[in-house]
Amino acid sequence: VQLVESGGGLVQPGGSLRLSCAASGFIFSSYSMHWVRQAPGKGLEWVSYISSSSSTIYYADSVKGRFTISRDNAKNSLHLQMNSLRAEDTAVYYCAMRRDSGSYWYFDLWGRGTLVTVSS
Amino acid sequence: DIQMTQSPSSLSASVGDRVTITCRASQSITRYLNWYQQKPGKAPKLLIYVVSSLQSGVPSRFSGSGSGTDFTLTISSLQPEDFATYYCQQSYSPPYTFGQGTKLEIK
Repeated sequence: VQLVESGGGLVQPGGSLRLSCAASGFIFSSYSMHWVRQAPGKGLEWVSYISSSSSTIYYADSVKGRFTISRDNAKNSLHLQMNSLRAEDTAVYYCAMRRDSGSYWYFDLWGRGTLVTVSS
Repeated sequence: DIQMTQSPSSLSASVGDRVTITCRASQSITRYLNWYQQKPGKAPKLLIYVVSSLQSGVPSRFSGSGSGTDFTLTISSLQPEDFATYYCQQSYSPPYTFGQGTKLEIK
């Protein structure tokens, strides 16, 4: 059971990057997923959410209009398309699986993260 | 947006100490509160969900309590492997905010 992020790297301000998260060991299509990021030396910041069927999507205000979350249940993969990148988007990006407990939920499984650096 | 405020931001303690970390929400989140532990260079790890439910494999020295706006994470007897950063997180409504973190250091 694991999540493996990829696609991070160095990009110039204003540039684009597409992150991916490969899921294995569980029925990916049954679970909602999130992206969470962590700037160097800082705390955790929730970025985006997508439901299992992609019918519900949420974004943090800090990325709304610039980032797009998507998933491919046939390929067990989650994506984050990041456009118009800014220096403040520099962070380790984690994908995380949401597990439901009745009406409650929590981040049950995390990937190891992929580093995005926005710099000229 | 719901703001989550943890206190203290950092804490020095010794092995065997009892430690309490507080998390306050800017509005009621009933019981939609989870706790995570993060060690340097690692992904966060779920400790406690829905205020007080211990994740499988997490030692019983960890416990959580609270409801509404005020929550606590308690470690009854600190062990060397517990020195890490702890985050609370609300799952009540988006954006699903985290507290700023509490760094637990060895005294």
